[in-house]
Amino acid sequence: ETGVTQSPTHLIKTRGQQVTLRCSSQSGHNTVSWYQQALGQGPQFIFQYYREEENGRGNFPPRFSGLQFPNYSSELNVNALELDDSALYLCASSLGTIEGETQYFGPGTRLLVL
Amino acid sequence: RKEVEQDPGPFNVPEGATVAFNCTYSNSASQSFFWYRQDCRKEPKLLMSVYSSGNEDGRFTAQLNRASQYISLLIRDSKLSDSATYLCVVISNDYKLSFGAGTTVTVRA
Repeated sequence: ETGVTQSPTHLIKTRGQQVTLRCSSQSGHNTVSWYQQALGQGPQFIFQYYREEENGRGNFPPRFSGLQFPNYSSELNVNALELDDSALYLCASSLGTIEGETQYFGPGTRLLVL
Repeated sequence: RKEVEQDPGPFNVPEGATVAFNCTYSNSASQSFFWYRQDCRKEPKLLMSVYSSGNEDGRFTAQLNRASQYISLLIRDSKLSDSATYLCVVISNDYKLSFGAGTTVTVRA
């Protein structure tokens, strides 16, 4: 196991609601990246947090936001949920920023928006 | 055009066979490349990095062809446990990370 944990494992929400997903990084890792993986697709980069600051963002609207805490755990918040937000949300921790650093993925949170 | 493209497969091969597949990328300035493996309903796990000179890890061989902008993965002597989706990852010179959609490999007994 990677030591990266995510909660909850599964979640069902309705359109328009808000959701918060959580990620605890591997011990010693200061960087957390979030990804959205739709069925049959590869993970799409949402954003990355390094030492509590956002350090890069993919093509996701502002209703996707995040936080990183002093212990390097992280939250992903999604407001005004849409049906297309249904996906597996993965977080990955690493020792540094993306380039060249191995990312260790958590088991993911499966979100279903009805 | 997608930044990273993979043949989705599936590649159905018998045990012991060799299977190979590619991943093409659009940004010629991309600088880091990886192969990840993802089992059904599980998270991706790093399989191997891809170095300019090519590299081998047991039965797995990764190659980079910068001129044609693709990386490849070759699996020799396939095992049933190699059945998975293989995701390529490309990191651009501005540190943007892109995953391919994955290539599915099924090894049959």
